[in-house]
Amino acid sequence: GAGVSQSPSNKVTEKGKDVELRCDPISGHTALYWYRQSLGQGLEFLIYFQGNSAPDKSGLPSDRFSAERTGGSVSTLTIQRTQQEDSAVYLCASSRGGLETQYFGPGTRLLVL
Amino acid sequence: QKEVEQDPGPLSVPEGAIVSLNCTYSNSAFQYFMWYRQYSRKGPELLMYTYSSGNKEDGRFTAQVDKSSKYISLFIRDSQPSDSATYLCAVGGTSYGKLTFGQGTILTVHP
Repeated sequence: GAGVSQSPSNKVTEKGKDVELRCDPISGHTALYWYRQSLGQGLEFLIYFQGNSAPDKSGLPSDRFSAERTGGSVSTLTIQRTQQEDSAVYLCASSRGGLETQYFGPGTRLLVL
Repeated sequence: QKEVEQDPGPLSVPEGAIVSLNCTYSNSAFQYFMWYRQYSRKGPELLMYTYSSGNKEDGRFTAQVDKSSKYISLFIRDSQPSDSATYLCAVGGTSYGKLTFGQGTILTVHP
């Protein structure tokens, strides 16, 4: 069956530009998570969605980062005025909720020049 | 201090070796423990998931948790070149699955 998909696979942008990263979770999965993986670092939690609401946004690094989820499905992570330190792999995961297994997408590799 | 500490390696072993990967965590509130495997340019995939102290075995993989020491381990028996990947430990303590990951250990199994 279809897994979690993310687009684009790779994104190169200039410092100061805005970027949008998209996540399509597994159909029927109510929980959705965004993580960031920087070079040599483990995954860092960014935000959690249950349905369309985000009860935990505690991992968003600054107010330049925002995310939304619509229709209980697709989610978009937006980074405004990108900085070089935003360069990382952004990973999305979905699950049936609670402590169910999280299934990860392949990630979006973001490079800010 | 990071909440989860994991030696990044890299670790290189010959085929057939037993591999031991380890993590320590600092917060006793963490109640569930996982190991993920991540191949290059792919997303992590779940290998092992446990709630309690003790051992859990699945094929060539054994996860071990010692809550009193805040120490988790993954053992891989009869390692294969296809096991070459980054192994990430993860811990959780919320009801909704928020995970805190270790840095990941890069493992290479050479023929």
